[in-house]
Amino acid sequence: ILNVEQSPQSLHVQEGDSTNFTCSFPSSNFYALHWYRWETAKSPEALFVMTLNGDEKKKGRISATLNTKEGYSYLYIKGSQPEDSATYLCAFITGNQFYFGTGTSLTVIP
Amino acid sequence: KAGVTQTPRYLIKTRGQQVTLSCSPISGHRSVSWYQQTPGQGLQFLFEYFSETQRNKGNFPGRFSGRQFSNSRSEMNVSTLELGDSALYLCASSRRTASSYNEQFFGPGTRLTVL
Repeated sequence: ILNVEQSPQSLHVQEGDSTNFTCSFPSSNFYALHWYRWETAKSPEALFVMTLNGDEKKKGRISATLNTKEGYSYLYIKGSQPEDSATYLCAFITGNQFYFGTGTSLTVIP
Repeated sequence: KAGVTQTPRYLIKTRGQQVTLSCSPISGHRSVSWYQQTPGQGLQFLFEYFSETQRNKGNFPGRFSGRQFSNSRSEMNVSTLELGDSALYLCASSRRTASSYNEQFFGPGTRLTVL
């Protein structure tokens, strides 16, 4: 069984703070890495699809980087807002299998 | 553009029964994946169907099965239900091709409770 680990498990930050989380995955047989945001009572929503080592993606205040050689991806949120409160999931895709981490739960305090 | 729909949204069954869940993907998406989420666990991959063929399968017992129809709609069946099958079942569709893994669009899920 393949391990995809996310840290921290949960995080509370003040509005306006910047924050980042980590997704760790095996460095071999890499196909792609996805990031999703999952708000309570909603469906997971795709943030980024990352396929190449060194990829950097940005969407508004959220950005992500990818290092396939060492097996990690970082998600950054600049100037957190209450609406950023959600669980952030990463999914490692290899050999036609999808492996999700357990997520980082972010709470932004107004 | 309509999103991924799942029916039913909530379901209560008893041990030993069987259940069928349905998923209609976004129009044009040929890939449908199924996931199980239980408390404290991440999303566990069940299987993926692509153009009516099961392309990938996670580590679940044979009681979990699925199929995909020519219109890309998919069904998931769980036979001989156990208490541990109580979970949120999510379906996701994507435009993925045979060689790429595009982002997945998730449905609202079916909450299954087994008594």
